[in-house]
Order: sequence, then structure tokens, then C-alpha cells
Amino acid sequence: GAVVSQHPSWVICKSGTSVKIECRSLDFQATTMFWYRQFPKQSLMLMATSNEGSKATYEQGVEKDKFLINHASLTLSTLTVTSAHPEDSSFYICSARDAELPGQGAGEQYFGPGTRLTVT
Amino acid sequence: GDSVTQMEGPVTLSEEAFLTINCTYTATGYPSLFWYVQYPGEGLQLLLKATKADDKGSNKGFEATYRKETTSFHLEKGSVQVSDSAVYFCALIRRGAQKLVFGQGTRLTINP
Repeated sequence: GAVVSQHPSWVICKSGTSVKIECRSLDFQATTMFWYRQFPKQSLMLMATSNEGSKATYEQGVEKDKFLINHASLTLSTLTVTSAHPEDSSFYICSARDAELPGQGAGEQYFGPGTRLTVT
Repeated sequence: GDSVTQMEGPVTLSEEAFLTINCTYTATGYPSLFWYVQYPGEGLQLLLKATKADDKGSNKGFEATYRKETTSFHLEKGSVQVSDSAVYFCALIRRGAQKLVFGQGTRLTINP
């Protein structure tokens, strides 16, 4: 099956610094990638939709200038948390959408293993 | 708007028990329906899916049937194992849409 990787799997940083998280589709091309945030024991909250070669579409309430998303190629999207604060500590998960297959409904999403960010 | 409602957790069962996790949805048109599983400290894995009414998705002993008349997609397994302990998410996506809509998740613990 399709594989999505994330790097790093966990990171600890100090307040005020920036952290970059990479999301890669390893064996397929993903024109669309999604970034989610998950708080402990809660569901996933969609932060933004990233389309290759264009600006990301952010969900309401997500700060564009704080969470910078770049989707420079068909296999790589990055999320940069700028000027991180302790409240940004969370589990960040990306997913990549396979191209929609004719007659099979919506294209399937494949999820990365997640990145745990801790800001001290 | 579209929404997914799952049964409240946590759910605790003994090994070999029968499992049902209820999921109902609200959506326009004919969405595709999914169950994802999240093991501790990991991302989500697709467990099964169904793309049209009366379809049955199945994988690893789990099953769910797309019931349009009751707008439901309940997850079932006849005999659970300790290794099934995880959080299960029901989700939908409307045809032509990009975004998955998730339920709140149900934490399942299986005791030996």
C-alpha cells in the first residue's frame, strides 16, 4: 500500500524557535496533502490543505503566519511552526491523497506516522 | 454541514468478545465511508472503507456495512484480541470533496 513518512517523529524545541516537519509520499504522487493537529485523547483537527505548486488553504482559526506550509513537489510538503510556544505542543499528522480513481469515489488518504512536538 | 457521530468511549472488553462501535453520519449526496485505526503513538491506518450503499468493507476480521437508510456504518468484529486495542475513527468524504470529516474517535481496550 501507499506509504507516507514524516520527519522527525518527535522534536523538542525551546520557546521562540521554529520547527520544520516534513511529510513525504514514498511510492505515489500526491497533488494534495493535509496537515492535522491532534490533542491528547481527541480527534484530528484539520489545519490546512496543501496543493502542490499553490498556496495552502487554511481552516478557520488557524494562523497562516504561524503555521507555514510549503508543498514544493508532488512528494513533499512541509509544515513550519514559527516562533513556537508551549501551547503549540501537540501531535501533528499529515496525510496525502492519492489521485481519484474513476468509478471508485473519493480518492483515498494515506496518513503519516505523526510528529510529536514539545515546546519547552 | 457534514458530520460523523461515534459512540462514546472508552470501550473495554475481554479477549474474544464481540465488538460493535456505532457510527452514524450526516451528509448530502453519497459519501464514501471509512474506519481508521490509530495505535498508541502512531498515525492513522485505514482499516476498511465502503463507497456506496450496501457495500461491506472488511479487513483483519473487522466489518462495516454502508447503510444509507439508517445513515450508519457500524464497525463489528466477532472475536477481539488484545492487539486490537487502539482508537478507532469513523470518517466520511463527499464525492468530489477533498476533506475527510472525522468522528470523535472511540478508544478500545481489550483485556486478556
